Amino acid sequence: GAVVSQHPSRVICKSGTSVKIECRSLDFQATTMFWYRQFPKQSLMLMATSNEGSKATYEQGVEKDKFLINHASLTLSTLTVTSAHPEDSSFYICSARDAGRLDTQYFGPGTRLTVL
Amino acid sequence: AQKVTQAQTEISVVEKEDVTLDCVYETRDTTYYLFWYKQPPSGELVFLIRRNSFDEQNEISGRYSWNFQKSTSSFNFTITASQVVDSAVYFCALSNYGGATNKLIFGTGTLLAVQP
Repeated sequence: GAVVSQHPSRVICKSGTSVKIECRSLDFQATTMFWYRQFPKQSLMLMATSNEGSKATYEQGVEKDKFLINHASLTLSTLTVTSAHPEDSSFYICSARDAGRLDTQYFGPGTRLTVL
Repeated sequence: AQKVTQAQTEISVVEKEDVTLDCVYETRDTTYYLFWYKQPPSGELVFLIRRNSFDEQNEISGRYSWNFQKSTSSFNFTITASQVVDSAVYFCALSNYGGATNKLIFGTGTLLAVQP
């Protein structure tokens, strides 16, 4: 149980293009999902909290117009990196919190984004 | 303010050795959760344990054990008879209890290398 998937696992794109990353909870409903960014050999940095049916809550310093988050259903949240630039290259990880078990986040396998 | 400190950035042991990963936390909350996650080279974070602040009993799961000491604000993790497959980055994390978003505050991680 508590499986979270992410797609794609790796993406390489040209500067200026937009990239969409999907996060799905496969065997539970997630009213809340979280998006993190991780630079090499560093810890996870929370970017935003995604709530089903409402606007995402962004952490200080994260541009909401740059990183668009949509949580359209209880099993799917998407992160779109708009007009990507090389500095957006990173490892993006989502997590989902089981609606029936609010105390634990389960993580997806991550998406490696490389912007050329 | 909430903070998690993992003072050990890297640890290297030889297979079959025991190893303890330290975690010290700071919080003003009287109720909270503590977590350990494992991040192998593949990148996916694997949930290992959740402990709430009410329960100071130590826990053992196979070769893994955890020592929660509220008096010293520590939640240390011991791997007994380490194996090469234990090589990974291990993160300690803290979240509030029943809060609106239950954000996870991560430590900086400890890279464990188990040599054959």
